[in-house]
Amino acid sequence: KAGVTQTPRYLIKTRGQQVTLSCSPISGHRSVSWYQQTPGQGLQFLFEYFSETQRNKGNFPGRFSGRQFSNSRSEMNVSTLELGDSALYLCASSLTGGNQETQYFGPGTRLLVL
Amino acid sequence: QKEVEQDPGPLSVPEGAIVSLNCTYSNSAFQYFMWYRQYSRKGPELLMYTYSSGNKEDGRFTAQVDKSSKYISLFIRDSQPSDSATYLCAMINYGGSQGNLIFGKGTKLSVKP
Repeated sequence: KAGVTQTPRYLIKTRGQQVTLSCSPISGHRSVSWYQQTPGQGLQFLFEYFSETQRNKGNFPGRFSGRQFSNSRSEMNVSTLELGDSALYLCASSLTGGNQETQYFGPGTRLLVL
Repeated sequence: QKEVEQDPGPLSVPEGAIVSLNCTYSNSAFQYFMWYRQYSRKGPELLMYTYSSGNKEDGRFTAQVDKSSKYISLFIRDSQPSDSATYLCAMINYGGSQGNLIFGKGTKLSVKP
């Protein structure tokens, strides 16, 4: 069974630009969560999507948004990039989102904002 | 006070040593406790998942939860160089979804041959 895939793996952008990251969950998984990981703040929850609906949202500004498609693939968008947005962005998929035991993380997209 | 505190290390031990990793937390509403292992350039992988106070063992790994002290631990017996990674604790409220999942900042472990 293929794992969670994220594209691209690495990305360099400049301040003010926008970026879109993609996550393909494990086949059959309907919940996708996004996290930001930085050395200073650690792993922080961004949002969770289930059946194309945002079910939960972390404490991030509105510049961070996401969506989920009918095939459960999810995209995350960050507009008006700031230097502090440089981070590893991880997505995780699970069957229904309520059981932590079945949550699997992708390898992440490393974003560098210059 | 942060909700979850975890010593970032780094922690360096010789092969075969017993490793003890710890987290403290302040929110007594946390009910589920997890330990993740993250290798360099990889996403975290779930190692242990516990619900109640007490011990849970899985091979060389033992997770311990002490709700009265708001303290959780992960013990690794007979540590191997392949255990070298960053270990993250995480916890969640009862009935919560990933939205309430709070992570520690991780402890970097190095096991020397």
